[in-house]
Amino acid sequence: GAVVSQHPSRVICKSGTSVKIECRSLDFQATTMFWYRQFPKQSLMLMATSNEGSKATYEQGVEKDKFLINHASLTLSTLTVTSAHPEDSSFYICSAGDGTDTQYFGPGTRLTVL
Amino acid sequence: GNSVTQMEGPVTLSEEAFLTINCTYTATGYPSLFWYVQYPGEGLQLLLKATKADDKGSNKGFEATYRKETTSFHLEKGSVQVSDSAVYFCALEAGSARQLTFGSGTQLTVLP
Repeated sequence: GAVVSQHPSRVICKSGTSVKIECRSLDFQATTMFWYRQFPKQSLMLMATSNEGSKATYEQGVEKDKFLINHASLTLSTLTVTSAHPEDSSFYICSAGDGTDTQYFGPGTRLTVL
Repeated sequence: GNSVTQMEGPVTLSEEAFLTINCTYTATGYPSLFWYVQYPGEGLQLLLKATKADDKGSNKGFEATYRKETTSFHLEKGSVQVSDSAVYFCALEAGSARQLTFGSGTQLTVLP
């Protein structure tokens, strides 16, 4: 089956620093990638949708200057949390679509901002 | 807008018990419906899906039928196992953007 990887799996950083999370589709070309945020014991909240080679579309309430998304190739998307603060601590999940109605999810990245 | 309402958990069952997790939806157009499962410490995995009314998705003993008249997609399994312990998410996809709308998730614990 299709595999999506995320790196790193967990990261701890100081307040004010930036953190980059990578999402890769390993065995298929992802026409669209999605970034979600999951709070403890809650559902996934879509943050943004990115298509290769174009600007990401952000959901209402998500700061595009804080959560920078780059989808430079059909197998790689990155999410950079800029000037991270403790309230940005969360579980970030990416998914990749192959052009059908199915998304394949990465294992997630646990971000802790001290 | 689109929304998914899912049975609140947590749900605790004994092994071999019957499982039902209710899911209803609101959507414009004709959505595709999904159940995803998240095992402890892992990412979401697609469990099953149905793309049109009266379709039945099935996988690993789990089933769900797309009921347009009741806007429902309830998840069922006749005999659960300890290894089924996980969080289950109902979701829908509608529109060309391929965006998923998730329910709140239901934590299932199966006791031996």
